[in-house]
Amino acid sequence: DSGVTQTPKHLITATGQRVTLRCSPRSGDLSVYWYQQSLDQGLQFLIQYYNGEERAKGNILERFSAQQFPDLHSELNLSSLELGDSALYFCASSVGDLADYNEQFFGPGTRLTVL
Amino acid sequence: AQKITQTQPGMFVQEKEAVTLDCTYDTSDPSYGLFWYKQPSSGEMIFLIYQGSYDQQNATEGRYSLNFQKARKSANLVISASQLGDSAMYFCAMQTGANNLFFGTGTRLTVIP
Repeated sequence: DSGVTQTPKHLITATGQRVTLRCSPRSGDLSVYWYQQSLDQGLQFLIQYYNGEERAKGNILERFSAQQFPDLHSELNLSSLELGDSALYFCASSVGDLADYNEQFFGPGTRLTVL
Repeated sequence: AQKITQTQPGMFVQEKEAVTLDCTYDTSDPSYGLFWYKQPSSGEMIFLIYQGSYDQQNATEGRYSLNFQKARKSANLVISASQLGDSAMYFCAMQTGANNLFFGTGTRLTVIP
């Protein structure tokens, strides 16, 4: 158990819908990262927050957005869902910011299926 | 640009034997970090080991060691005394500067009893 929690574990929805994935980082970690893992794209970085501020952006679609709240939990919002958005979405956390080269601890993931 | 290459899509190893999983990387940044993660069939990503580009010694964590050859730009993971529970996908990843963690395509390891 990494100490990072993600809810829900599984999510099944229809195209065009909007969903919210939730992540609580390990106690004491200030950075939260979101990743998407799909069969064709592999593991891809989406976005990072550090202590409430957006710090780095990867291949995140405009239909996706995220935020980190004052209690440091984070939410990833996916809207206008398409079949290709079906994937395993990971949240990870680390103590420091990206430049600190801290190991990132991953949550169990949310498996999103878009029908 | 960062690049991580894992050339072995799948590997087999006999239980109790050692196995080496290959990883090569490419970056022009002199400062970088190299990471290995394990992903069992249950799906979670488990951090295994870290090597900094300026570290003089190869990193070790229990049965895991990282064979870091800077001139060759390789960071191979060595698992000693393989166990059935080691069967999983293994990902090599690199981070440079304040950039995000960049993952390779992974190697599926199967431990044979």
